[in-house]
Amino acid sequence: DAGVTQSPTHLIKTRGQHVTLRCSPISGHKSVSWYQQVLGQGPQFIFQYYEKEERGRGNFPDRFSARQFPNYSSELNVNALLLGDSALYLCASSLAGNTDEKLFFGSGTQLSVL
Amino acid sequence: DQQVKQNSPSLSVQEGRISILNCDYTNSMFDYFLWYKKYPAEGPTFLISISSIKDKNEDGRFTVFLNKSAKHLSLHIVPSQPGDSAVYFCAALSTNLYNFNKFYFGSGTKLNVKP
Repeated sequence: DAGVTQSPTHLIKTRGQHVTLRCSPISGHKSVSWYQQVLGQGPQFIFQYYEKEERGRGNFPDRFSARQFPNYSSELNVNALLLGDSALYLCASSLAGNTDEKLFFGSGTQLSVL
Repeated sequence: DQQVKQNSPSLSVQEGRISILNCDYTNSMFDYFLWYKKYPAEGPTFLISISSIKDKNEDGRFTVFLNKSAKHLSLHIVPSQPGDSAVYFCAALSTNLYNFNKFYFGSGTKLNVKP
């Protein structure tokens, strides 16, 4: 069975540009979460989506947005990129997005902003 | 605001011995805790979890202990194997504070098991 897949694996952008990251959850999983991992730190919660609705948002500026599609795949969009947005972006899926469900993570998209 | 802390960035252990990884948290609302393992170029992989109604949970070579009064949890790996070499993340959340699974992660401990 395919796990959580993310694309692209690596991305280089310049300040001020826009980026779109993509995620496909495990088959049957209806919830997708996005996390940002800056070098030397643990993952930090950005969003959770369930059944195409935003269920929760972390402490990130409005430059960060996301959506979930009818097939449960998801996109994370970041506008007006800053150098500090350079990080590993992790997507995770879970069955129903309940609070005590474990997350299954993809391998991430490494974003470098120059 | 670092609500989950792993104060040891790295740990080196001999194969066959016990590895003990520690994690502290500050938010008394946290009631569900997990450990994840991460290899380079891969996403974190779930290892073991514990609910605050328990103080211990075992799964094979892995045992997690929870001390609620000290707001401390630890992961014991016995016996340690070279394949256990990875970065270990502690994560916590409150099942009551939010209606979504907003996990707070520590900064990780890099475990090196020497053959």
